[in-house]
Amino acid sequence: AQKITQTQPGMFVQEKEAVTLDCTYDTSDPSYGLFWYKQPSSGEMIFLIYQGSYDQQNATEGRYSLNFQKARKSANLVISASQLGDSAMYFCAMREMDGIQGAQKLVFGQGTRLTINP
Amino acid sequence: EPEVTQTPSHQVTQMGQEVILRCVPISNHLYFYWYRQILGQKVEFLVSFYNNEISEKSEIFDDQFSVERPDGSNFTLKIRSTKLEDSAMYFCASSEAKSRNEQFFGPGTRLTVL
Repeated sequence: AQKITQTQPGMFVQEKEAVTLDCTYDTSDPSYGLFWYKQPSSGEMIFLIYQGSYDQQNATEGRYSLNFQKARKSANLVISASQLGDSAMYFCAMREMDGIQGAQKLVFGQGTRLTINP
Repeated sequence: EPEVTQTPSHQVTQMGQEVILRCVPISNHLYFYWYRQILGQKVEFLVSFYNNEISEKSEIFDDQFSVERPDGSNFTLKIRSTKLEDSAMYFCASSEAKSRNEQFFGPGTRLTVL
């Protein structure tokens, strides 16, 4: 069974500092994808970044990067130069590929509430 | 930029009533999903749908739940007889048929069962 663990229920960071949000996962499938979503107080789920299990390089999207350590089964999100607008709930999620294209569920972690202080 | 839309944004209903939550996925997407998030908790998978049938469903998705794609654009979630514990945010998501299958989420419908 898939499992996603986010051990930091809350994080407080000063504006402009970098922040790392932790995510570890557990799967027996060799092929999987890892996602990070941002949920602001308004409630919508905003896709941030994706890492495939066979990707050779760590994913980056603007100020977001994913520190993927496959042997440790961790996929930490790094936000550089944090901004006040980064304050939100952040969810790590995983999808196993199992050779089937298409409609495969995401399994989410419990989330980390990030607060950026001015 | 295309987006997933959901209506209504907030639905209040009495326990035992039927509700239908509506979603319009992104037009060229083929895979559709419903998730729910009880207040303060993580997002949980309910059901996935492809080619006019359910691909997978969770144990939450019991006989009280059903999904339908009544036409070429809408994707609905019906709860036949709502319970207090059905109160949650319900998210619709869709993805296209590519290997990455990023799922795009709608803004959610907040369901409150009284």
